[in-house]
Amino acid sequence: DTEVTQTPKHLVMGMTNKKSLKCEQHMGHRAMYWYKQKAKKPPELMFVYSYEKLSINESVPSRFSPECPNSSLLNLHLHALQPEDSALYLCASSPLPQVLVYNEQFFGPGTRLTVL
Amino acid sequence: SQQGEEDPQALSIQEGENATMNCSYKTSINNLQWYRQNSGRGLVHLILIRSNEREKHSGRLRVTLDTSKKSSSLLITASRAADTASYFCAMPLRAGGTSYGKLTFGQGTILTVHP
Repeated sequence: DTEVTQTPKHLVMGMTNKKSLKCEQHMGHRAMYWYKQKAKKPPELMFVYSYEKLSINESVPSRFSPECPNSSLLNLHLHALQPEDSALYLCASSPLPQVLVYNEQFFGPGTRLTVL
Repeated sequence: SQQGEEDPQALSIQEGENATMNCSYKTSINNLQWYRQNSGRGLVHLILIRSNEREKHSGRLRVTLDTSKKSSSLLITASRAADTASYFCAMPLRAGGTSYGKLTFGQGTILTVHP
């Protein structure tokens, strides 16, 4: 299995809802990433997990809460989001953390999130 | 910041023509990567070129790196309509010899190939 999967593909939520995004990879990668991407912009890094531990939080608001239950799974819990949080949320993984080895990242197809 | 700047921002060509995209960066790098993103989808890694390499090929892709000018270019030869996508350069963010453990992406070039 050489891909990163993300569910759901699309998500519409109200500002008072609680929802979760899920990301999974079975390539044995030990680093996983969450990115946020607005239209016509590059991906912006949100979080990095290295060996299942949170290693980088790019000053993301607490309404976004990441979780890495095991080496294959990465979640992003969403609560009390704002309309400006509407974006494409991308998950990625790499064989080893970038801090150890410079290596390519494998991206999932993304979740298109709309906050009403 | 090591954020890359890409030009052109948008490129429109006919099928069969070559497409060249450029990326410039500010500080020294260990490697530079190129990614492709089809509309609204995830990014796909195309090629990684290390700082001690000057040129690298993969199929119809040719990447060059000029560390003295702090620039890289991506050439797609004999373009096809299926090459229509956004193309991003990306490089590890580091200070001196230490990696911060993350990539920074350029602003991207939107390539449109007309059949």
